[in-house]
Amino acid sequence: AQSVTQLGSHVSVSEGALVLLRCNYSSSVPPYLFWYVQYPNQGLQLLLKYTSAATLVKGINGFEAEFKKSETSFHLTKPSAHMSDAAEYFCAVSGGGADGLTFGKGTHLIIQP
Amino acid sequence: DSGVTQTPKHLITATGQRVTLRCSPRSGDLSVYWYQQSLDQGLQFLIQYYNGEERAKGNILERFSAQQFPDLHSELNLSSLELGDSALYFCASSVVGVAGAAQYFGPGTRLLVL
Repeated sequence: AQSVTQLGSHVSVSEGALVLLRCNYSSSVPPYLFWYVQYPNQGLQLLLKYTSAATLVKGINGFEAEFKKSETSFHLTKPSAHMSDAAEYFCAVSGGGADGLTFGKGTHLIIQP
Repeated sequence: DSGVTQTPKHLITATGQRVTLRCSPRSGDLSVYWYQQSLDQGLQFLIQYYNGEERAKGNILERFSAQQFPDLHSELNLSSLELGDSALYFCASSVVGVAGAAQYFGPGTRLLVL
């Protein structure tokens, strides 16, 4: 079975500071990994995905994530936080015959002015 | 706007009732997925259809069922509703129905069971 662990249910950063949201996965097969963002009262928007083409994946809105097999991690980063980045972020995994996504519990990102 | 549409946006009903949620995938997408988001369970995969056929099942209760029609829209049927079924139900679609395909989510249907 696959699983995802997101460390920190809430992360607070100052505007302009580095954003780092942590995600560790567990998978018995090479995983496909995703980051989604959910703004209040909206659906999930795909930020980026890893499908083994490159370990450093660039997404929308200045976000990127690095796949590290040795650490079973897929952390999400953004060099400079903006107020509009405040939202809930979900890491997800699929693969191994299961096409449905398995999501982490989410990290609420708070941006302080 | 992801291109995935869901109706209705909100639904209020009573315990024991049956409701139908509707989803239209993005143009060209053949696969539809249903997810449930609740405070206690988080986001859970329910079921997947690909080109009209059931492809994968997740944590879907026996009281719940789904289908995908020839025009590729999908419906999720929830019956004998319980208070604990109150949640956000999302539909997502992808071009192909394989792991690794990007899934695009609709705005969701918020179900409240009283």
